[in-house]
Amino acid sequence: FILTQPHSVSESPGKTVTISCTRSSGSIASNFVQWYQQRPGSSPTTVIYEDDQRPSGVPDRFSGSIDSSSNSASLTISGLKTEDEADYYCQSYDSSNPWVFGGGTKLTVL
Amino acid sequence: QVQLVQSGPEVKRPGASVKVACKASGYTFTSSGFSWVRQAPGQGLEWMGWIGVYNGETDYAQKFQGRLTVTADTSTSTAYMQLGSLTSDDTAVYYCARDTLGSRGDYWGQGTLVTVSS
Repeated sequence: FILTQPHSVSESPGKTVTISCTRSSGSIASNFVQWYQQRPGSSPTTVIYEDDQRPSGVPDRFSGSIDSSSNSASLTISGLKTEDEADYYCQSYDSSNPWVFGGGTKLTVL
Repeated sequence: QVQLVQSGPEVKRPGASVKVACKASGYTFTSSGFSWVRQAPGQGLEWMGWIGVYNGETDYAQKFQGRLTVTADTSTSTAYMQLGSLTSDDTAVYYCARDTLGSRGDYWGQGTLVTVSS
């Protein structure tokens, strides 16, 4: 299966942005979705795991959800800060594909 | 705190092999596993393979079957990724990620740049 993300999104500081991740086949609800943040020149970090769980240390401005009707997952970032500017990748799996990544979304906070 | 520290950058000739290390600390090494993910310049993330340190099982992306080996040394709490028959297309940053179940990463290493050039 393929995970499709928008190539880029932009929003102003203080606003809310949502990044989508649509699964091409199989149910989005069948396997957990993770979201990774990758700032320029840095390694990825986990901001959401198991659809909607936040690791300790990740601000509650970050939230994750899934929508079975659109077969997609979403990452929502509220109260945007310039430090949120990064690439965001969704990731899921199934019995045949241990890790499948979306193509990544470049978030610009301007 | 959990830390994954990877070995330094490598430059290899086409056809050679490279071995990247990922030293873990801050948790019980034998209770987890590791996935290896790479990122070519300007590109997205690509999963390569996984090892379960607790059971010795491995799993490889079909694309890398036959030239990728992932191992773990419990005496030094270090995971390894060895990739052979290198070509210029293998030029990338290689990351290790702690991955207990073979389905997601929680902590990531800092990355190791591997450059393949004649």
